[in-house]
Amino acid sequence: AQRVTQPEKLLSVFKGAPVELKCNYSYSGSPELFWYVQYSRQRLQLLLRHISRESIKGFTADLNKGETSFHLKKPFAQEEDSAMYYCALSGGNTDKLIFGTGTRLQVFP
Amino acid sequence: GAGVSQSPRYKVAKRGQDVALRCDPISGHVSLFWYQQALGQGPEFLTYFQNEAQLDKSGLPSDRFFAERPEGSVSTLKIQRTQQEDSAVYLCASSFYASGANTGELFFGEGSRLTVL
Repeated sequence: AQRVTQPEKLLSVFKGAPVELKCNYSYSGSPELFWYVQYSRQRLQLLLRHISRESIKGFTADLNKGETSFHLKKPFAQEEDSAMYYCALSGGNTDKLIFGTGTRLQVFP
Repeated sequence: GAGVSQSPRYKVAKRGQDVALRCDPISGHVSLFWYQQALGQGPEFLTYFQNEAQLDKSGLPSDRFFAERPEGSVSTLKIQRTQQEDSAVYLCASSFYASGANTGELFFGEGSRLTVL
């Protein structure tokens, strides 16, 4: 079965601390993995995708096929990073996304 | 407008009523998706259109749910005889690419929050 697991509902850190939002997936083929973010009172938007190997707003995510993980990391959290983060996967010949339940990141000053 | 537009933003329905939720995707976007997001959960896929063709409706929870996109642009999600468990935010998303591009770049609307009493 296709599934995305985000074990933490809430992650609280102080500004400047490192952040790691965990994501594990279950998929029988070779999925594409993504992180979406929803800031307060804004719509859900794409943050980054594994295939691009990009760093967006200081965030990176490495796909680990052996551990079936795609954790989101940032070395120094900022207050403006406070948001809801969703890990998602797609696979096969469709752009249908399967989302995790999300992790709320709170960054305190 | 530049983004995906959904209406109404909020809808309160009595159990048993029919509701219709509208999605106006970004102009020129080929793909359109509907998702259901219950409180405290991630978005769950409902159905997918490529232009006017409904290619995947595997996520529709029952035959009370029906979606259409007759001219390949605006889409309507209809829920008949609403039940309390239908209470959720219904998200619409569109993509420039046809299915299979796997870009993952969906543009979401703000959602329609449905509350069934």
